Amino acid sequence: AQSVTQLDSHVSVSEGTPVLLRCNYSSSYSPSLFWYVQHPNKGLQLLLKYTSAATLVKGINGFEAEFKKSETSFHLTKPSAHMSDAAEYFCVVSDMGSGFQKLVFGTGTRLLVSP
Amino acid sequence: DAGITQSPRYKITETGRQVTLMCHQTWSHSYMFWYRQDLGHGLRLIYYSAAADITDKGEVPDGYVVSRSKTENFPLTLESATRSQTSVYFCASSTSRWVSDTQYFGPGTRLTVL
Repeated sequence: AQSVTQLDSHVSVSEGTPVLLRCNYSSSYSPSLFWYVQHPNKGLQLLLKYTSAATLVKGINGFEAEFKKSETSFHLTKPSAHMSDAAEYFCVVSDMGSGFQKLVFGTGTRLLVSP
Repeated sequence: DAGITQSPRYKITETGRQVTLMCHQTWSHSYMFWYRQDLGHGLRLIYYSAAADITDKGEVPDGYVVSRSKTENFPLTLESATRSQTSVYFCASSTSRWVSDTQYFGPGTRLTVL
């Protein structure tokens, strides 16, 4: 079975400094991986996804993630944090359920951005 | 373009009452999903639907019922609400069943069962 582990429940950065949110996955075959963001009291928005094309994936709002098969990792990065980046981030692996796409969510990382 | 909407956004009910959460999407996506979000668990799948009149259980289906008579609507019913069903509920939709497809999420319904 597929699974994801988000290594930090909370990450705190200062505005203008780099962001690193860590995610490791477990998969028996080449997975599809996603990062979603959830702002307070909002739904989930897709940031980016990896689907076995380029290993460096660029997403919205300056975020990117690199798929590293040897390390089974899919860490999310951004060169310079903005106050509006404060939110909860979910790493997600996609699996084939019984005839449907099953998403397996990590437990989330809350990003705090201070001025 | 409304996308995917959920109603109500907030609901307070009492133990034992029946509650229905609505989900509506304007994209004509075939697949629709219901998740619940609880602290420490991420999102967990309750039920999904591959098309009108085709539904199946997900990871945590007990205590819930779904129906899908029209492609655009996917209501979730708690037949007799319990406190353990206090949660935030998200509806999602996608065009296909492929692992690379994107699921699009609604804004969520925060349900409190007293």
